[in-house]
Amino acid sequence: LAKTTQPISMDSYEGQEVNITCSHNNIATNDYITWYQQFPSQGPRFIIQGYKTKVTNEVASLFIPADRKSSTLSLPRVSLSDTAVYYCLVGPKAAGNKLTFGGGTRVLVKP
Amino acid sequence: DVKVTQSSRYLVKRTGEKVFLECVQDMDHENMFWYRQDPGLGLRLIYFSYDVKMKEKGDIPEGYSVSREKKERFSLILESASTNQTSMYLCASSLPGTGENEQFFGPGTRLTVL
Repeated sequence: LAKTTQPISMDSYEGQEVNITCSHNNIATNDYITWYQQFPSQGPRFIIQGYKTKVTNEVASLFIPADRKSSTLSLPRVSLSDTAVYYCLVGPKAAGNKLTFGGGTRVLVKP
Repeated sequence: DVKVTQSSRYLVKRTGEKVFLECVQDMDHENMFWYRQDPGLGLRLIYFSYDVKMKEKGDIPEGYSVSREKKERFSLILESASTNQTSMYLCASSLPGTGENEQFFGPGTRLTVL
């Protein structure tokens, strides 16, 4: 499975856009990029998944450049409730596949 | 909505005890997973199961076993608990096939072994 590198932590303020970049230099051709969110004392929650270019849903956008060696999760206009740990995962697209979580990025949204 | 429930939120056991952690999902998912989460180490896969009575080792199966007698229930067993098994344990389930890599997680069980 491709190894990922992401910042340990980020601070932001309410109403700002938060962008978290994940590096995955050895991503394979059949790998997808998936992001999960975890609030304190809860299990992780799926946010978004993509293969290339841009994917957007009601929660976030995922930007993937042509070389796919990195990706950026964008959270528009964050609120205090977006304070969480965000994990970037890379692997084949299959719901039954094992997921390998790294350390994640701890995002703190301040008032 | 998919619901994954775990039998306890907090559990305290003594070294050498046999510990059962239960996980139940209500969406008829074929796949179920057990992870442990420790500070600085992220989530690590212990065991997973693709079907009833089937199980496969994850990345850190030592000291653990699992049981899946019914589709909705996946149990993690610590045969003889040790202090290094103090951790947060998370259960997850997912559909089979080539859908999105979406696993549904339970709230977790924080286990302390004294």
